[in-house]
Amino acid sequence: DAGVIQSPRHEVTEMGQEVTLRCKPISGHNSLFWYRQTMMRGLELLIYFNNNVPIDDSGMPEDRFSAKMPNASFSTLKIQPSEPRDSAVYFCASTHPIANTGELFFGEGSRLTVL
Amino acid sequence: QKEVEQNSGPLSVPEGAIASLNCTYSDRGSQSFFWYRQYSGKSPELIMFIYSNGDKEDGRFTAQLNKASQYVSLLIRDSQPSDSATYLCAATTGGFKTIFGAGTRLFVKA
Repeated sequence: DAGVIQSPRHEVTEMGQEVTLRCKPISGHNSLFWYRQTMMRGLELLIYFNNNVPIDDSGMPEDRFSAKMPNASFSTLKIQPSEPRDSAVYFCASTHPIANTGELFFGEGSRLTVL
Repeated sequence: QKEVEQNSGPLSVPEGAIASLNCTYSDRGSQSFFWYRQYSGKSPELIMFIYSNGDKEDGRFTAQLNKASQYVSLLIRDSQPSDSATYLCAATTGGFKTIFGAGTRLFVKA
């Protein structure tokens, strides 16, 4: 089975530009998480969805960040406008909380650099 | 205060020794606890999970949970250079929200 698929793997953009990160969870997983990882702050939970519904977005830094999950097989994280402090690795993870006892399966991450 | 706290390290141990990694959490409603390993430039991968007080062993790894003290630990016996990585402690709360600590870097010297 394919794992969690994220795109793009690397993104370099200029301050003020819109960035869209994409995630395809593992088929059958009904929970999806977006994390951001930096050296300074570690792995921070931004938002998570259960059955395509956002449950907790308290980790979203500010209004420039938005996330959607229009169906069970696709989610996006959008940053508009982007700023240099948004530079980080963004991970998407999915799970089936009951079947997987909460184990998260991570994608390979999207490394974002905002100049 | 972060919800899940870890010593960032680095922790350095000689090959063959026991590595001891510790973690505390602040939310008493946390239900399950996880240890993930992350190699440089890679994504986290699960090593062990534990949700009952006491010890849980899997090969060279032992996870320990003390809910009264809000403390979780991971012991790695017979440490190998290939164990050198960052170890992330995580806790889930209601609704399966999973919060990670900042991670402890482990170096195993050959």
